[in-house]
Amino acid sequence: EDQVTQSPEALRLQEGESSSLNCSYTVSGLRGLFWYRQDPGKGPEFLFTLYSAGEEKEKERLKATLTKKESFLHITAPKPEDSATYLCAVQAGEDSNYQLIWGAGTKLIIKP
Amino acid sequence: DAGVTQSPTHLIKTRGQQVTLRCSPKSGHDTVSWYQQALGQGPQFIFQYYEEEERQRGNFPDRFSGHQFPNYSSELNVNALLLGDSALYLCASSLRGGPIVPEAFFGQGTRLTVV
Repeated sequence: EDQVTQSPEALRLQEGESSSLNCSYTVSGLRGLFWYRQDPGKGPEFLFTLYSAGEEKEKERLKATLTKKESFLHITAPKPEDSATYLCAVQAGEDSNYQLIWGAGTKLIIKP
Repeated sequence: DAGVTQSPTHLIKTRGQQVTLRCSPKSGHDTVSWYQQALGQGPQFIFQYYEEEERQRGNFPDRFSGHQFPNYSSELNVNALLLGDSALYLCASSLRGGPIVPEAFFGQGTRLTVV
């Protein structure tokens, strides 16, 4: 069964303290891995799509990387406004499969 | 440019009742997906609509049904509500694109509480 697991469940950092969030996956035929950010009471907001192992993408203080088994979301010198829940999702299987399988998310809290 | 809009934002229903949730996609988008998100969990895929047809369905019972209109807006209907249906229901819109799911834009969700 396809599965996505995110760790840690919650992470508290001081402003400026860099760290990484993990998304490990067990799927048949990965076609895309997605990172989203979700603020309380809102829908997820798209951050990145990664397609193959070795790929990296950056956006401001965020950098996403992908291996054959997991993805990392690196946060460099975070600010309080980076506080949110970060969700990882994967698309796998045949071309006709549009379903995304989501992890439970990592709640990131950045203290000033 | 309006993003994805969902209505209502909050809803309280009694067990056994029926509910209809509505979604207007982002301008220019033709594909709508619905998700259920329980508290502290990631979204779970309910189904996706494209060209007014259900293109794919997740592991949800037939009590969950939907519709897409010619203007690409969509409705999610849930019959015979159970307490376990209480969740945030999210609508996401995107362009059909190719086999890879394109960037999806989410609405703010409808918080459904079943009592």
